[in-house]
Amino acid sequence: GENVEQHPSTLSVQEGDSAVIKCTYSDSASNYFPWYKQELGKRPQLIIDIRSNVGEKKDQRIAVTLNKTAKHFSLHITETQPEDSAVYFCAAFTGGGNKLTFGTGTQLKVEL
Amino acid sequence: NAGVTQTPKFRVLKTGQSMTLLCAQDMNHEYMYWYRQDPGMGLRLIHYSVGEGTTAKGEVPDGYNVSRLKKQNFLLGLESAAPSQTSVYFCASKRRESSYNSPLHFGNGTRLTVT
Repeated sequence: GENVEQHPSTLSVQEGDSAVIKCTYSDSASNYFPWYKQELGKRPQLIIDIRSNVGEKKDQRIAVTLNKTAKHFSLHITETQPEDSAVYFCAAFTGGGNKLTFGTGTQLKVEL
Repeated sequence: NAGVTQTPKFRVLKTGQSMTLLCAQDMNHEYMYWYRQDPGMGLRLIHYSVGEGTTAKGEVPDGYNVSRLKKQNFLLGLESAAPSQTSVYFCASKRRESSYNSPLHFGNGTRLTVT
């Protein structure tokens, strides 16, 4: 089955700096890659997604890039703020689009 | 429009007891999922359903059963709870797409402790 690897597991940045989280996937048939943000004790919330026919997508301070050849995708957060502190999960849709496989998460801490 | 609703929010079970977690969605989604979340392991898929009356195994199905008798409900059962099933359980749903996929909508989770 699909395997999604996510790095780093923890990331600490200073407020205003950029943060980058990287993921790789194994199933070349995967065609949809969402990113979720989860605050402590809450449910995962979709923050951005990208489909396999697009190489890059941006939404204000958040951007995602996809390299289908290398089978990796990345989340970029610019001008980080304390409220960006949370756990971030990447994911890939597999199995004909029926199953979403998650990475193991990145704990992002934005320090003042 | 409540989205995805999970009940109960918290539960404590003794080893060997049984229980059912209920997930209900009011978005007319075809697909529904049960995940468990454990520290450092992300969200792992237990079972899922692509339509009323159908279910399929995910990554970690052992010790769980599911049923999808109505389109809006997806039940997760533990017949004989074990301490290894202590976790936070999330239900999610999505609509069926003809080509590229759509995002999952998550419930607020059920925190289960098995002693």
